[in-house]
Amino acid sequence: AQSVTQLDSQVPVFEEAPVELRCNYSSSVSVYLFWYVQYPNQGLQLLLKYLSGSTLVESINGFEAEFNKSQTSFHLRKPSVHISDTAEYFCAVTRIQGAQKLVFGQGTRLTINP
Amino acid sequence: DTGVSQDPRHKITKRGQNVTFRCDPISEHNRLYWYRQTLGQGPEFLTYFQNEAQLEKSRLLSDRFSAERPKGSFSTLEIQRTEQGDSAMYLCASSLVGGVNTEAFFGQGTRLTVV
Repeated sequence: AQSVTQLDSQVPVFEEAPVELRCNYSSSVSVYLFWYVQYPNQGLQLLLKYLSGSTLVESINGFEAEFNKSQTSFHLRKPSVHISDTAEYFCAVTRIQGAQKLVFGQGTRLTINP
Repeated sequence: DTGVSQDPRHKITKRGQNVTFRCDPISEHNRLYWYRQTLGQGPEFLTYFQNEAQLEKSRLLSDRFSAERPKGSFSTLEIQRTEQGDSAMYLCASSLVGGVNTEAFFGQGTRLTVV
């Protein structure tokens, strides 16, 4: 079975400051890794994903995440946040084979203060 | 086709009543998933379909829950004899398995409140 731990339930930061949202996972088999973002009263939107290849993946809005196999981590970073980044962020994994159902962490609420 | 759509967006029901939710996936997607999200938690897997076949059900899916995908297109999730503990956001997602990219697209969810 897979499990995901998001180490911070809430992260408050000031606008234009850097941020890191931490994610660790556990799995006995190879997995794909994802970050999803959820705005209030909305569904989940894919932010970025790691399937294979380069361990550093980037999104179109400035977020990046690095897959670290030895530390089983997939932390999300952004060098300068904006008010519009305020949302809940979920780290998720799925087995490469089989049902490919997503296993989510509990989420990190990112709050940007002006 | 603009994405996964769910109906209704919100549902308030009295305890003991039955409710049914509908999900329309992206048209060419062959997999459809249902998840449940309670306040302050990440989504939890309930069940999934490959075309019209229901291939896996979570232990979270009690006997009061049933899901169908009759023609391999839209899906319904029914909850019978609702309980207050069923209050949650029910999320539907779809994906195309067999391609290079593995990505699940989510609908906006149906928020159920049982009073």
